[in-house]
Amino acid sequence: DIQMTQSPSAMSASVGDRVTITCRASQGINNYLAWFQQKPGKVPKRLIYAASSLESGVPSRFSGSGSGTEFTLTISSLQPEDFATYYCLHHSGYPPFTFGPGTKVDIK
Amino acid sequence: EVQLVESGGGLVLPGGSLTLSCAASGFIFGSYAMSWVRQTPGKGLEWVSTISGYGDSSYFADSVKGRFTMSRDNSKNMIYLHMNTLRTDDTAVYYCAKEASLGAWGQGTLVTVSS
Repeated sequence: DIQMTQSPSAMSASVGDRVTITCRASQGINNYLAWFQQKPGKVPKRLIYAASSLESGVPSRFSGSGSGTEFTLTISSLQPEDFATYYCLHHSGYPPFTFGPGTKVDIK
Repeated sequence: EVQLVESGGGLVLPGGSLTLSCAASGFIFGSYAMSWVRQTPGKGLEWVSTISGYGDSSYFADSVKGRFTMSRDNSKNMIYLHMNTLRTDDTAVYYCAKEASLGAWGQGTLVTVSS
């Protein structure tokens, strides 16, 4: 089975900071990678699909990149509403699919 | 607008069974795979299962394989998660979601397995 790791597991950042979260797959998954944001008590929301495609309605400060085994989610200028937990998900042609363990971004 | 509404959660004894339902609207249902995802309170997300658009293929997490099955009724825009031999560690909020890449989510339904 494909394992997903994320780094960091948690981070503190300030409004306006550039934030980068990394997700690594234990084997190549092409670009079958999605990123999700979850705020406390809320349903997760997809931000990025196919590794780098921005979901409709998601602010352009969010971007995704990578292919194969290493992927990044970047927030170019962190806003107050971006403090949340972020998860990656591999959904390649080889189930089981797997979420990363999550990255909690909180206020410095 | 895509809408997904789960139902069927509740309290069940260990070893028991439960079926969750998800009603979908706002998209061409039969053209999309559908998935279930769960989350234990305060913990991360766990992919549970995915079924193809036609319903002829389904995939499961190792933690539920052999105990859970998934089905769909494209005439009713419904998916189902049939959960058997439930364990206490199956306690979670269960979400249905559109596609394998989880493009839209329902609000979730809580399943509690406890004696």
